[in-house]
Amino acid sequence: RKEVEQDPGPFNVPEGATVAFNCTYSNSASQSFFWYRQDCRKEPKLLMSVYSSGNEDGRFTAQLNRASQYISLLIRDSKLSDSATYLCVVNYQSGNTPLVFGKGTRLSVIA
Amino acid sequence: EAQVTQNPRYLITVTGKKLTVTCSQNMNHEYMSWYRQDPGLGLRQIYYSMNVEVTDKGDVPEGYKVSRKEKRNFPLILESPSPNQTSLYFCASSLYGSSEKLFFGSGTQLSVL
Repeated sequence: RKEVEQDPGPFNVPEGATVAFNCTYSNSASQSFFWYRQDCRKEPKLLMSVYSSGNEDGRFTAQLNRASQYISLLIRDSKLSDSATYLCVVNYQSGNTPLVFGKGTRLSVIA
Repeated sequence: EAQVTQNPRYLITVTGKKLTVTCSQNMNHEYMSWYRQDPGLGLRQIYYSMNVEVTDKGDVPEGYKVSRKEKRNFPLILESPSPNQTSLYFCASSLYGSSEKLFFGSGTQLSVL
């Protein structure tokens, strides 16, 4: 069974804090990994692809641990505008098989 | 502006009354897909299309139809809607497939009474 598990939260953090989310996936043959951001009732938007070597984009860092089958997202210096739901997404095979979306982790950054 | 356009944004209908949700993209993407999002269940794929006249079932295709007669359009058809199809629907597209960045439409909130 293809599953992507995330802690639903909510994570309530003060501005400026560092917060990390993990996501576990069930199939070691998984090929592609992504983090999407979704604001309430709006469309998801790609935040980052996750590469084997890890990658960073400004305040955001994504890591992949294939041995333990999890990916992580680290947000440094949290802003109020970071408040959203973060979706972990896994492509279980190469090619164009359906993506599997996690249910999301809700982040609330508080002033 | 590059975008995926879905219509309508909100739709209330009654059981059994056929409806179509339209989706159009202006990025010349080959891959298009439909998802539904329900509380506690996350996003689930309904159907996807690799190119014109090529469609495949996703995880939850029952009760839905799609067509891809031209590259830019990928309508979702509910021949006989039922209350369990009340959901938030998203259309998405990408250049070649699901391994790439997906561009989502703004969503259609459907209520079937």
